[in-house]
Amino acid sequence: QVQLVESGGGVVQPGRSLRLSCAASGFTFSNYAMHWVRQAPGKGLEWVAIVSYDIDNKYYADSVKGRFTISRDNSKNTVYLQMNSLITDDTAVYYCAKDYYDNTVGAFDSWGQGTLVTVSS
Amino acid sequence: EIVLKQSPATLSLSPGERATLSCRASQSVSSYLAWYQQKPGQAPRLLIYDASNRVTGIPARFSGGGSGTDFTLTISSLEPEDFAVYYCQQRRDWPPFTFGPGTTVEIK
Repeated sequence: QVQLVESGGGVVQPGRSLRLSCAASGFTFSNYAMHWVRQAPGKGLEWVAIVSYDIDNKYYADSVKGRFTISRDNSKNTVYLQMNSLITDDTAVYYCAKDYYDNTVGAFDSWGQGTLVTVSS
Repeated sequence: EIVLKQSPATLSLSPGERATLSCRASQSVSSYLAWYQQKPGQAPRLLIYDASNRVTGIPARFSGGGSGTDFTLTISSLEPEDFAVYYCQQRRDWPPFTFGPGTTVEIK
């Protein structure tokens, strides 16, 4: 079955960087877009970024544009989120999520367990 | 950016009762709306996509309806495991994909 395993979270000071990874298995990784979605403590869900199945297209939420970079390695079945210039508002559980569709995008049918990023001095 | 509003914020019901959750979009999203369930300490789970299509393995007591700006998620008879937070999410106009603030279904 589909499995997504995130890693790389932790405590980081404001202004510093962190790189999250998400290892995927159980499906043909290169056929699906992948997303990062985050959830601040006690809050709702916020979509962060998408990378297309073929790596050619990447889009971001305004709140992270210019600071975060999503990427993927289809040979390693892994998606990444490079987070630079972190601010306290970036504190959240970060989920990677597989897109449901194989011919369009926009629903998230499999999720990892999440990795907590805490930005604090 | 399309804003989604969910009502009520909290729904207090007993097992066996019918739950009706609402999601309203700030502009038409056609049928490009999904529903998720999230339990404490767990990742969200996709229940419904494209407004009314149930994901494989989701019980038939969950149903979605609506189009344009007004949508509903109905749970026909609440089971103990259905008490959770429910989010709607649109994919009509992106980026960004946006979520509603959630409705908590709690045990009365």
